[in-house]
Amino acid sequence: GESVGLHLPTLSVQEGDNSIINCAYSNSASDYFIWYKQESGKGPQFIIDIRSNMDKRQGQRVTVLLNKTVKHLSLQIAATQPGDSAVYFCAESVPSDDKIIFGKGTRLHILP
Amino acid sequence: DAGVIQSPRHEVTEMGQEVTLRCKPISGHDYLFWYRQTMMRGLELLIYFNNNVPIDDSGMPEDRFSAKMPNASFSTLKIQPSEPRDSAVYFCASSLGPPLPNYGYTFGSGTRLTVV
Repeated sequence: GESVGLHLPTLSVQEGDNSIINCAYSNSASDYFIWYKQESGKGPQFIIDIRSNMDKRQGQRVTVLLNKTVKHLSLQIAATQPGDSAVYFCAESVPSDDKIIFGKGTRLHILP
Repeated sequence: DAGVIQSPRHEVTEMGQEVTLRCKPISGHDYLFWYRQTMMRGLELLIYFNNNVPIDDSGMPEDRFSAKMPNASFSTLKIQPSEPRDSAVYFCASSLGPPLPNYGYTFGSGTRLTVV
């Protein structure tokens, strides 16, 4: 199954290794960032978020890093599992704005 | 909690026909968003509502698209007349509040629309 057949950058990672998915965001005024995971046939699902006053935030097996100087966001997944196969989107929001703008996404492929 | 419920899951229609997509947000969520996902453009925000009032419809492609939210538990996205280029997956999402920590979006499973 595909997410509408998106032709996306693909990251292939060996099961058990760590994955790093990168994202360049567009608006220097953005102050809130979110990573979403989209599995085949499903809607995007919230993974982890970070505010612009932080540069790192950790969750369960996931870490988000924020570099505001170069407008770069990354998602690190520790000990990648087959269930991590999905498309991952970064999203950003600016102050006083009620909406989230999504990036293009990266497909994570897990090698056995 | 049943989550955000969209219907139908799949819709195939002929060019020129009217299409209506439906969404039931999570109870108590004040915000409702309609997104479209395509190969070329990824996830695009079409329109969003706050307390049933349309706030920003700048993403609606053209006048053939319209969205309503008659009450807090129901929204529709209508395309009339439909065209093949409208083929996409349409997602509805809801949230308690604006995009701040703890107010993340919850997405439905989407409606895959094919216009032939």
